[in-house]
Amino acid sequence: SYELTQPPSVSVSPGQTARITCSGDALPKKYAYWYQQKSGQAPVLVLYEDSKRPSGIPERFSGSSSGTMATLTISGAQVEDEADYYCYSTDNSGNSRGNWVFGGGTKLTVL
Amino acid sequence: EVQLVQSGAEVKKPGDSLRISCEGSGYNFTTYWIAWVRQMPGKGLEWMGIIYPGDSDTKYSPSFQGQVTISADKSISTAYLQWTSLKASDTAMYYCARAHPRMGLDYWGQGTLVTVSS
Repeated sequence: SYELTQPPSVSVSPGQTARITCSGDALPKKYAYWYQQKSGQAPVLVLYEDSKRPSGIPERFSGSSSGTMATLTISGAQVEDEADYYCYSTDNSGNSRGNWVFGGGTKLTVL
Repeated sequence: EVQLVQSGAEVKKPGDSLRISCEGSGYNFTTYWIAWVRQMPGKGLEWMGIIYPGDSDTKYSPSFQGQVTISADKSISTAYLQWTSLKASDTAMYYCARAHPRMGLDYWGQGTLVTVSS
C-alpha cells in the first residue's frame, strides 16, 4: 500500500524557519496537502495543491514540491505554530475515489 | 458557513454495533465527497474511506474494507460510519471531512470519540 514518510519531530526556536518534509513515490504526479492539528482539536488545512494557502492561513506558511518530496515551510515560526503536521496525498489511482493516505505526522516544537 | 456536525461520544462494549453520523450544512451536500478519518489515542490520522452522497458511490481504504460501512442519506445531508461488531481496537476519535476537488479535506467535523471497553 502507498505510504507517505515524514520525520517524527522537528524542533526550532521562535522566529526560526521550520521545514517539514514528506516523501512519497507518487508526489511527482500528485499534489500534497498539509494539515495542522493542535492538541485536542480537529485538523486544519494549511496548504493545498503543494503550495496554496487557504484563506486565513498566515503567509509564514508556504510549501513546495520537488520530485518525490514535498516540504512545508514555516518562516519565522511562532509558539502558536506548535502542533502536529500531516501531509496527505493519493497514490496514482487518481481522482477522489483513489487511495488517499496521510503521512505519519511530524510534531513541531517551538521553544 | 460550511459546517460538519458529528454525533456525540459513545461508550460501547466489544461486540456491540454502532453508527455515528456527520451532518453537513452551508453547502450542497450532494456534490462533495465526504471522507472518514480515524485517529487512535496518541496516534496519527488514517484515511478510512470516502462517499459521494449524490449517488452513494463509496471507496474504502484497504485497511478498513470489510471492517466498517460508510453510507449517506442525502435527504437529510448526513453521512454515517457504522460497525456491526466493535472491538477494543476500534477505540479512537473519528472525524468526517468534506473533500473539495482542489483543496483536499477543507472542512472537518469536531470528531466523535468512540470508546470500546468491557
